[in-house]
Amino acid sequence: EVQLVESGGGLVKPGGSLRLSCAASGFTFVSYSMNWVRQAPGKGLEWVSSISSSSNYIYYADSVKGRFIISRDNAKNSLFLQMNSLRAEDTAVYYCARHYDTSGFFGYWGQGTLLTVSS
Amino acid sequence: DIQMTQFPSTLSASVGDRVTITCRASQSINSWLAWYQQKPGKAPKVLIYEASSLEGGVPSRFSGSGYGTEFTLTISSLQPDDFATYYCLQYNSDWTFGQGTKVEIK
Repeated sequence: EVQLVESGGGLVKPGGSLRLSCAASGFTFVSYSMNWVRQAPGKGLEWVSSISSSSNYIYYADSVKGRFIISRDNAKNSLFLQMNSLRAEDTAVYYCARHYDTSGFFGYWGQGTLLTVSS
Repeated sequence: DIQMTQFPSTLSASVGDRVTITCRASQSINSWLAWYQQKPGKAPKVLIYEASSLEGGVPSRFSGSGYGTEFTLTISSLQPDDFATYYCLQYNSDWTFGQGTKVEIK
């Protein structure tokens, strides 16, 4: 069974940094592209970042480009999101999501971790 | 960047109703569109991918259609478990979600 478990969320002051983690199990992690998707309180879903299986291809939404860094450790079946220069508008539940297979949509999701950016 | 316009934003319906939700892309995305259902406090769940392919385990009352820039999600007979928020996702070029449609009890 595919399992994705996010951690690392919390309360951070504007301008601060935080690193989210996603622990994957139940599938061959090294074979799949992985993603971060966020959802601000009471709002819709927003794709944040994507990383290919071997980290060769990395993509960011314009809203986080230059501030967030996605990475992965295939030996540890883990996905990360380093978030810097945080703003109030980054407050959201952050979901880790796996590509379905070779298709580009998000087939499996974690339960999310909440980041709150507030002074 | 591809923009996705989803409508309506809210839909009031009764059990047994036929419900249709539409997503329009700002440029052609071929068939690279998925539909998700999300319930409060839960992660989204994929219902449809490649515009019209039903994900395994999803009831057959859900169907998707469309190609290019216009897509629809149809629930043929709304059930109590279907009251939720629905999102479309284009994955032709990067990824963009629609704004969501909340299906409420009438």
